[in-house]
Amino acid sequence: DAGITQSPRYKITETGRQVTLMCHQTWSHSYMFWYRQDLGHGLRLIYYSAAADITDKGEVPDGYVVSRSKTENFPLTLESATRSQTSVYFCASTGRETQYFGPGTRLLVL
Amino acid sequence: KNQVEQSPQSLIILEGKNCTLQCNYTVSPFSNLRWYKQDTGRGPVSLTIMTFSENTKSNGRYTATLDADTKQSSLHITASQLSDSASYICVVSALTSWDSSYKLIFGSGTRLLVRP
Repeated sequence: DAGITQSPRYKITETGRQVTLMCHQTWSHSYMFWYRQDLGHGLRLIYYSAAADITDKGEVPDGYVVSRSKTENFPLTLESATRSQTSVYFCASTGRETQYFGPGTRLLVL
Repeated sequence: KNQVEQSPQSLIILEGKNCTLQCNYTVSPFSNLRWYKQDTGRGPVSLTIMTFSENTKSNGRYTATLDADTKQSSLHITASQLSDSASYICVVSALTSWDSSYKLIFGSGTRLLVRP
């Protein structure tokens, strides 16, 4: 399917577990992003990547790890999930100055 | 500090009415300003993007304005429809000169409810 997809769409996990959220885009966009969206906050940037093997921290990177071995994939890993990481996570990629968002992953950490 | 503030936080209007959403920003150096629509349970979708030199841009019933002097933008929705019920997010890009990349600063959004 063309576009940007995320998996899983919903995830429930326990405190201390490792969780990986997947993001895949079919446009070969260079820039990809991970955001979290919480009530009362705008979208906050966790990490971004300018190209394969190039990643950089955003506004709220603590507790998260990313990798970008291939242009089309940008997985986000919560190494040891905490309740404060309960949120909706959006992946995005940018082409021609327009940012395209995935459908989001709702993560609940118990 | 780079900030984007939107008002009102929430708004309820009747179907067919017009409304205007506001966005004030303190972002430097300014690159462009975007308006996104986010339906419940979905990712944001771009409505308009405006650069420094653009004052007005339309996308169907959506018209965005930009006053770069006062650092204000508005999104006007004409003849609202039930499907316009969503959150509208203002996003300002700050061009970071050291690597020519850009940084996006998001507003918290305005939640619009259109009632029949």
